[in-house]
Amino acid sequence: ETGVTQSPTHLIKTRGQQVTLRCSSQSGHNTVSWYQQALGQGPQFIFQYYREEENGRGNFPPRFSGLQFPNYSSELNVNALELDDSALYLCASSYDRGSSSPLHFGNGTRLTVT
Amino acid sequence: AQSVTQPDIHITVSEGASLELRCNYSYGATPYLFWYVQSPGQGLQLLLKYFSGDTLVQGIKGFEAEFKRSQSSFNLRKPSVHWSDAAEYFCAVASYNNNDMRFGAGTRLTVKP
Repeated sequence: ETGVTQSPTHLIKTRGQQVTLRCSSQSGHNTVSWYQQALGQGPQFIFQYYREEENGRGNFPPRFSGLQFPNYSSELNVNALELDDSALYLCASSYDRGSSSPLHFGNGTRLTVT
Repeated sequence: AQSVTQPDIHITVSEGASLELRCNYSYGATPYLFWYVQSPGQGLQLLLKYFSGDTLVQGIKGFEAEFKRSQSSFNLRKPSVHWSDAAEYFCAVASYNNNDMRFGAGTRLTVKP
C-alpha cells in the first residue's frame, strides 16, 4: 500500500508570500491531520479534516487554512507568511477520526521563510 | 487542557544497555497515550499506544511502555538498545476524537558503540 506522501519536500518563501503544501493520504484513509514542527520542538496540531470537513483546529491564526478533496488528499495553505512560520509541516492520515485510528505520517515539507 | 512533558531533552546510552524515556501527562479524563519515533528527515512512526486495559503495552522494535495513572506517567522502556534506535522520541496524548493530539517536546536518544 502507498503511504502518506507530501510535496514539495523543501520550499523557500519570502515573508508576506503565500504557500500551498500538499498531502496524499494513505489508501483507505478518510482523515488528514496537519502539524507544524518547529526546530527542536514537538509537532503542534494545526487542524484535522474528516471526509472533506474540518474536524477540529489548534491554536493557529486564520491565515492557516486547509482543504480536503473527495479522494481525501489535502492541502494546507498559509497566507501572509511570517518568519516564525519556518518549520517542518507534517501531514498524517488515519482510517477514521477517532484516537483508536493510528496516525500515519508523511516525511513532511520543510518550509523556510526569509 | 491536556499537555505532555518529557523531562529529558537528550539521553545517551551505550549499545546493549537498557533504556527508559520519561513522559508525564496532564489530562482531565482517561487519556489516550502514544509514543512516536522520528529519525532525521523523516516523519513520525508509531511505536505503541495505550487506550485502556492492561497498563503495560508492547510495541514495535522491542519497546514497551507502562501507564501509571497515580503518577500521570507513560514511560517508554527497552531492555537492550541497538545503534539503530538513535532518534527523537515523542510522547503524545489525545482525546477520543484524535483531533487535538498534543506532543511533548521530544527526547533525543544517542547510542554509544
